[in-house]
Amino acid sequence: DAGVTQSPTHLIKTRGQQVTLRCSPISGHKSVSWYQQVLGQGPQFIFQYYEKEERGRGNFPDRFSARQFPNYSSELNVNALLLGDSALYLCASSFQQDFTGNTIYFGEGSWLTVV
Amino acid sequence: AQSVAQPEDQVNVAEGNPLTVKCTYSVSGNPYLFWYVQYPNRGLQFLLKYITGDNLVKGSYGFEAEFNKSQTSFHLKKPSALVSDSALYFCARPHSGAGSYQLTFGKGTKLSVIP
Repeated sequence: DAGVTQSPTHLIKTRGQQVTLRCSPISGHKSVSWYQQVLGQGPQFIFQYYEKEERGRGNFPDRFSARQFPNYSSELNVNALLLGDSALYLCASSFQQDFTGNTIYFGEGSWLTVV
Repeated sequence: AQSVAQPEDQVNVAEGNPLTVKCTYSVSGNPYLFWYVQYPNRGLQFLLKYITGDNLVKGSYGFEAEFNKSQTSFHLKKPSALVSDSALYFCARPHSGAGSYQLTFGKGTKLSVIP
């Protein structure tokens, strides 16, 4: 079975531009979350979506937005890019919305470089 | 606040020797704990988790972790290290807050296994 898949794997953007990152969860998983991992740090929670609704949001500015589609895939959008947005963006999926012993599984990530 | 701490930025161990990567957790909240591994330029891979039951948890790639309530620790261990175990290891704590399911990560520990 395919794991969590993300695209693109690498991209370079200029300050002020906008970027869209895509994610397909593990088959049967209805929850998708996004994390940002800056070099040298642990991942930080950005969003969780479940059944196409935002269920949680981390401490990120409104420039960050996301959505989930009927097939449970998801997109993360970041507007007005800043140099500090350069990071590995990780998508994760889980079977349920809440923690009931379920495991969160991560994709390989999308490396974003802002120049 | 629910948190985890990884007191060591880097751990060096000779190939064939036992390895330990340390993690401690805050007492508040649930004691559920996860370990993930990140190989260079890759996403996160799930290793193991503690929910309830046996304090010794066995996971992928020969790793195991011991939950110690009195010391609030969940150290990752392996009896005999391999060079291929060299990677970044993250301890994480799942929690459901305000309807979302998210992980809080430690800062990570870089494990280097020396041939």
